[in-house]
Amino acid sequence: GAVVSQHPSRVICKSGTSVKIECRSLDFQATTMFWYRQFPKKSLMLMATSNEGSKATYEQGVEKDKFLINHASLTLSTLTVTSAHPEDSSFYICSARVPRRGVGGNTIYFGEGSWLTVV
Amino acid sequence: GQQVMQIPQYQHVQEGEDFTTYCNSSTTLSNIQWYKQRPGGHPVFLIQLVKSGEVKKQKRLTFQFGEAKKNSSLHITATQTTDVGTYFCMNSGYALNFGKGTSLLVTP
Repeated sequence: GAVVSQHPSRVICKSGTSVKIECRSLDFQATTMFWYRQFPKKSLMLMATSNEGSKATYEQGVEKDKFLINHASLTLSTLTVTSAHPEDSSFYICSARVPRRGVGGNTIYFGEGSWLTVV
Repeated sequence: GQQVMQIPQYQHVQEGEDFTTYCNSSTTLSNIQWYKQRPGGHPVFLIQLVKSGEVKKQKRLTFQFGEAKKNSSLHITATQTTDVGTYFCMNSGYALNFGKGTSLLVTP
């Protein structure tokens, strides 16, 4: 079945540095990928929609200059947290839509998530 | 966009008891998907419902899509400790924000 791979699974960085998280679709082409953030015991919060070959669409309240998204190919989207601060520590998850024709919409598969800790 | 509300937010049951979570929308949904997220893990796709009144089963899990396609339910029969996690529903017309999900705790 479709698989979405996310890397790294855990990362610790110093305050003020930047961290890049990769999201790959392993056996399908994903024209659209999604980035979420999740705080402990809270629901997923959609941050942005990543579109291959074009600019990402950010949700209200998400700083696009801080959370840089690049979707340079049909199988890779990256999220870069720039000038990270401790409050950016969180669980970041990507997902990709597996396109299917006909009635039923598109199944969405999630990456394994990345735990970011900013110290 | 379409907002899917989920209830209850939390549910604590004894092992062996049944569990049900509900998703409700004010508008007709093209489909509904269910996901399970274990503590510390990522959401895993469980099932997709498309047709009005559709019922699907996966072992002890029963998924139902309402006749009006405005609500859905997930029922677990005789819960086990392995059922612990948060269950989310989502309409996959567009990956909008998930509902808050229902966190299930099962105690032996």
